[in-house]
Amino acid sequence: GAVVSQHPSRVICKSGTSVKIECRSLDFQATTMFWYRQFPKQSLMLMATSNEGSKATYEQGVEKDKFLINHASLTLSTLTVTSAHPEDSSFYICSAIDRDSSYEQYFGPGTRLTVT
Amino acid sequence: AQSVTQLGSHVSVSEGALVLLRCNYSSSVPPYLFWYVQYPNQGLQLLLKYTSAATLVKGINGFEAEFKKSETSFHLTKPSAHMSDAAEYFCAVSVSGGYNKLIFGAGTRLAVHP
Repeated sequence: GAVVSQHPSRVICKSGTSVKIECRSLDFQATTMFWYRQFPKQSLMLMATSNEGSKATYEQGVEKDKFLINHASLTLSTLTVTSAHPEDSSFYICSAIDRDSSYEQYFGPGTRLTVT
Repeated sequence: AQSVTQLGSHVSVSEGALVLLRCNYSSSVPPYLFWYVQYPNQGLQLLLKYTSAATLVKGINGFEAEFKKSETSFHLTKPSAHMSDAAEYFCAVSVSGGYNKLIFGAGTRLAVHP
């Protein structure tokens, strides 16, 4: 089946630094990937839609300069949290749409970011 | 605009008992509806989906859901709960009525006790 991986699974960084999270579709091509954020015991909130070869579309209230998204290939999207602050600590989950399989959406295992 | 409401943030059942997790949706277009399960510190796994075909949808692990347009509901059921079913369950609706970005409900935490 379609598999989406994320790297790293956990990351701890200091306040003010930047951290990059990778989302890869391992066995399919994904023209579209989504980035979600999940706070403890809460639901997933869509942050942005990442389209291969074009700029990401951010949801209302999400700072595009803080959460940089790059979708450089059909199998890789990256989310960079710039100048991280403790309030950015969260669980970040990506998903990818398999364009050759009824456009079904597959989720990655998530990345736990802790900013100290 | 699409939205999803999950009634009951916590549901507790005995092992072997019926599981019923409630989901109501609002959509201005014919909806695509999904149920996902999330185990601690993991991503989401698709349980089942409704895509305008049969109204009774069967999924993995013995779960099923029925789409009821008149009630705008898509409740998730399982006849007999297993300890391994304990997890967080999310109902979601597709924004454009197809496989597109999803709007998630708040989630229901299912506890199964012996």
